[in-house]
Amino acid sequence: GAVVSQHPSWVICKSGTSVKIECRSLDFQATTMFWYRQFPKQSLMLMATSNEGSKATYEQGVEKDKFLINHASLTLSTLTVTSAHPEDSSFYICSARQPNYGYTFGSGTRLTVV
Amino acid sequence: GQNIDQPTEMTATEGAIVQINCTYQTSGFNGLFWYQQHAGEAPTFLSYNVLDGLEEKGRFSSFLSRSKGYSYLLLKELQMKDSASYLCALYNQGGKLIFGQGTELSVKP
Repeated sequence: GAVVSQHPSWVICKSGTSVKIECRSLDFQATTMFWYRQFPKQSLMLMATSNEGSKATYEQGVEKDKFLINHASLTLSTLTVTSAHPEDSSFYICSARQPNYGYTFGSGTRLTVV
Repeated sequence: GQNIDQPTEMTATEGAIVQINCTYQTSGFNGLFWYQQHAGEAPTFLSYNVLDGLEEKGRFSSFLSRSKGYSYLLLKELQMKDSASYLCALYNQGGKLIFGQGTELSVKP
């Protein structure tokens, strides 16, 4: 079946630094990928839609200059959290839409900003 | 926009049956998904409903009524490993998957 690889699985960074998270579709091409954020005991909140070869579209309230998304190829999307602060600490998950209808999720990245 | 409502938490006994409800309001409907998520892990696919009726898959079944904006996930023969969060998600006309707040299910012996 379709597999989405996401890494790193967890990362700890200092406040003010930037962190890049990668999401790869391993056995299918994904023209569209989605980035979610999940705080403890809350559901997944859609942050942005990543479109191959064009700009990402962000959900209301998500700062596009803080959460940089690049989708340079049909199999790779990256999310960069710039100038991270402790309130950015969260679980970030990507997903890709399979050719027919389904969504496959990456394993998630636990970001802790200290 | 969308609005999705699920109970925050439920408790059930091992071997029993539990029904998790999801009500929704949306301006564009393309389908409804149910996912299971264990703490700290990614969601895993359980079911997808696009037409009214019941979809059965082993111990899990999902029902949809589009006219009522209502779905439920039915889990039979509950096992301890079924303790997890169950997420109802709308697939809207924009091609996005929007999640409800999730239902935390605790299965007790």
